[in-house]
Amino acid sequence: EAGVAQSPRYKIIEKRQSVAFWCNPISGHATLYWYQQILGQGPKLLIQFQNNGVVDDSQLPKDRFSAERLKGVDSTLKIQPAKLEDSAVYLCASSLLAGWYNEQFFGPGTRLTVL
Amino acid sequence: EDKVVQSPLSLVVHEGDTVTLNCSYEVTNFRSLLWYKQEKKAPTFLFMLTSSGIEKKSGRLSSILDKKELFSILNITATQTGDSAVYLCAVEASKGNSGGSNYKLTFGKGTLLTVNP
Repeated sequence: EAGVAQSPRYKIIEKRQSVAFWCNPISGHATLYWYQQILGQGPKLLIQFQNNGVVDDSQLPKDRFSAERLKGVDSTLKIQPAKLEDSAVYLCASSLLAGWYNEQFFGPGTRLTVL
Repeated sequence: EDKVVQSPLSLVVHEGDTVTLNCSYEVTNFRSLLWYKQEKKAPTFLFMLTSSGIEKKSGRLSSILDKKELFSILNITATQTGDSAVYLCAVEASKGNSGGSNYKLTFGKGTLLTVNP
């Protein structure tokens, strides 16, 4: 079974530039999550999708971050404009269903460095 | 706001030692506690704990949950260099009583374990 795919694996940009990350979840997984993991901390949920609808985006900085999952499969996360404090690993995860407990499978992450 | 606190933040041991990692939490509407291992990539699932006092085991790793005192421990016996990683604790909590998709994971900062030969 193919895992969660993410691209790019690494990205370096200057502050105030824009960047987009892509995630393709495991086939058939209805729920998709984007996490931000700053160095030395645990992952923090940014947004959760159930199919193509947003379930939770309470911790997404909506003035600069946006995400979509138009066809209920793959998803993009965008930052526009980026700040220095956005430097982190962005993890995408998927699970078969939401609710109790469907194991979340994580992708390899995209490491973003903002200079 | 839900809180998950792990200790110690880092630990250095020698191969063969036994280690105990701690995770305490304060959440509303607790449903489960999970342990993950994170090497230089994505977290991989180790255990899910929902009931107090029932030990989960997988090889040299074991974990137990105390829902009264709101903590969990992860034990690793006879450590090997391949156990070197960040161990993350996460708590699953429901945000309401609608069930279904209304839950989320809150992670601790992790414990960085280094096992030296």
